[in-house]
Amino acid sequence: DAEITQSPRHKITETGRQVTLACHQTWNHNNMFWYRQDLGHGLRLIHYSYGVQDTNKGEVSDGYSVSRSNTEDLPLTLESAASSQTSVYFCASSEGGELFFGEGSRLTVL
Amino acid sequence: DQQVKQNSPSLSVQEGRISILNCDYTNSMFDYFLWYKKYPAEGPTFLISISSIKDKNEDGRFTVFLNKSAKHLSLHIVPSQPGDSAVYFCAASATGKLIFGQGTTLQVKP
Repeated sequence: DAEITQSPRHKITETGRQVTLACHQTWNHNNMFWYRQDLGHGLRLIHYSYGVQDTNKGEVSDGYSVSRSNTEDLPLTLESAASSQTSVYFCASSEGGELFFGEGSRLTVL
Repeated sequence: DQQVKQNSPSLSVQEGRISILNCDYTNSMFDYFLWYKKYPAEGPTFLISISSIKDKNEDGRFTVFLNKSAKHLSLHIVPSQPGDSAVYFCAASATGKLIFGQGTTLQVKP
C-alpha cells in the first residue's frame, strides 16, 4: 500500500541546533506540504512543493527551509532551532485534491 | 489574517444526536472545501469535500453544506457516535494548497 512516513516521530533538541525532519511518500504525488499544528492555530502551512526542484513559502516559513531533489522526499530543515518552533509537524502529499498526511513528528526545542 | 476560521473550539453532543460544526472563510477565490478528522497522536484524515459549484455533499452520516454568499460551510454528523469524538478541521483551497481552520474538538457522550 502507498503511504507517507515521517521521521523521527519524536525529537528533543536544544536552541540553536540544526534539525531535519524527513518525509517520504510512495504515492508518486507531485505535491508535498509541511504543516505545523499548535493549539489555537490549527494547521499552518510552512512550505510546499509542486514538483522536483520546486519549493514555495507558506504562511509561517521563517526559520524553515525545504528542498525537493526527487518526487518521494521533502525534508524540512530548521536552520537554528528556537523554542517557538516546539510543535507537531505534519507532512502531506496530494495530486491536487485531498491531502494525505503522515503521522506527525513531535519536536521539542529546549 | 486568518482566511479560514472555526470559531467554536469545542462542541459536546449526546450520542445519536446531530453534531453541527461550522467554518467561515474570507477569500472568495477558494473553490474547494474539505473536512478532516484528527485523533490524538495520528495525522489528519480526509472526511468529506465539496466543490464551490455545489451547495451540498453527502456521504453516509456526514453532510457538508456550502453557503457561498455567506462564505460559510458546515459539517453535519447524524447520528453522532462516540467514535466521532476527535478534532475536526475545515480547509479551503484556491491553488492546490490547503488553508486550515483552527479546529473544533467534538466530544460525543454515550
